[in-house]
Amino acid sequence: SAVISQKPSRDICQRGTSLTIQCQVDSQVTMMFWYRQQPGQSLTLIATANQGSEATYESGFVIDKFPISRPNLTFSTLTVSNMSPEDSSIYLCSVQRDYEQYFGPGTRLTVT
Amino acid sequence: AQSVAQPEDQVNVAEGNPLTVKCTYSVSGNPYLFWYVQYPNRGLQFLLKYITGDNLVKGSYGFEAEFNKSQTSFHLKKPSALVSDSALYFCAVRGSGNTGKLIFGQGTTLQVKP
Repeated sequence: SAVISQKPSRDICQRGTSLTIQCQVDSQVTMMFWYRQQPGQSLTLIATANQGSEATYESGFVIDKFPISRPNLTFSTLTVSNMSPEDSSIYLCSVQRDYEQYFGPGTRLTVT
Repeated sequence: AQSVAQPEDQVNVAEGNPLTVKCTYSVSGNPYLFWYVQYPNRGLQFLLKYITGDNLVKGSYGFEAEFNKSQTSFHLKKPSALVSDSALYFCAVRGSGNTGKLIFGQGTTLQVKP
């Protein structure tokens, strides 16, 4: 299995500001994934983060809005930039190990 | 393109009765299929997966799922529902490339009434 922690667990932010979310895994993984879950919605993949290379973004998500860092094999950050109320969501970090996919507890973001 | 459909927004079941939460998928190649459960204000918990082999997969908390290739379905089942099973359930698929990218269904709320 994999134990994933995220910081912060929740935050309330003002429009126009940025928030950086941290994800820590208990052991090394090649790929880390960032998902978004908007209120009452399903999960959508934002990007895949590999150590040592730029993140790969899914359609509808851009690096300027969601910059990602992956400095080592156990850690990643996702920044939500220039926030608007539409960014209010739960952001989840995820890793794959063998054939299973594990998720962090999520960061609940509210933008006012 | 890969996709997952959960045709029911909500399923209502009486405690002690069997439950089924439906999921159909579309993917090229052999699918990797997953079920997750999300309780209010909690993270996503893994229930079970189908990779290969037996079509009936057993998972956590007494849940099981049946893979049906001809119907491209992966329905979640439990013989006897508990009130504590009430939660939001997600079906997900990963394509045969096993890249780790999961495509999620829209979710089904299971309500088990005493």
